[in-house]
Amino acid sequence: QLQLQESGPGLVKPSETLSLTCTVSGGSISGSSSYWGWIRQPPGKALEWIGSIHNSGTTYDAPSLRSRVTMSVDTSQNQFSLKLRSMTATDTGIYFCARDLMVQGQEGMDVWGLGTTVTVSS
Amino acid sequence: YELIQPPSVSVSPGQTASISCSADKLGEKYASWYQQKPGQSPILVIYQDTKRPSGIPERFSGSNSGNTATLTISGTQAMDEADYYCQAWHRTTVVFGGGTKLTVL
Repeated sequence: QLQLQESGPGLVKPSETLSLTCTVSGGSISGSSSYWGWIRQPPGKALEWIGSIHNSGTTYDAPSLRSRVTMSVDTSQNQFSLKLRSMTATDTGIYFCARDLMVQGQEGMDVWGLGTTVTVSS
Repeated sequence: YELIQPPSVSVSPGQTASISCSADKLGEKYASWYQQKPGQSPILVIYQDTKRPSGIPERFSGSNSGNTATLTISGTQAMDEADYYCQAWHRTTVVFGGGTKLTVL
């Protein structure tokens, strides 16, 4: 059964870079045609898509965050990662990773991690 | 591109709940729907407008035509009380709606 788990710091200072990793178990990133996505949710607010990456390195990302986002994939570790630069308080929230079947086939995001809470504060 | 959902919908147990999601020509795209309970990750309940993933009860159904996609929950149960989000793919981006809080009372 495919499982995803986010990891990273819970606290980030303003202007610093957030680095998160999503570890995939129960399946292989490299053997899959799927994309792998990042989604966030500010406290009490709606879901917001950040971006998605394929094991080939092809990425799609949200226009509003594009200038600050870098995504990568490490097939040897069965992981994919997110870097979000120049963090501010408005970036505080829960960050989820998910298997993204939207990019190819528009079949939704069918497996999600539990999410990790990120707070931006000095 | 913005997906518009009503902030809240109320329904009595056993009745049918309908949650709308509106955008320009949404019917020309596929819509997905997610259920999220407090403190939990979202769960995909409908994809490609009408399809249910394995394990999702038959009381969840979807439709999409014109500018509006609709999630329908028949015979709503107390356990269905949650936030619901629609989603679509538009010009190489994933878009989520603002969410609808479904109250079962």
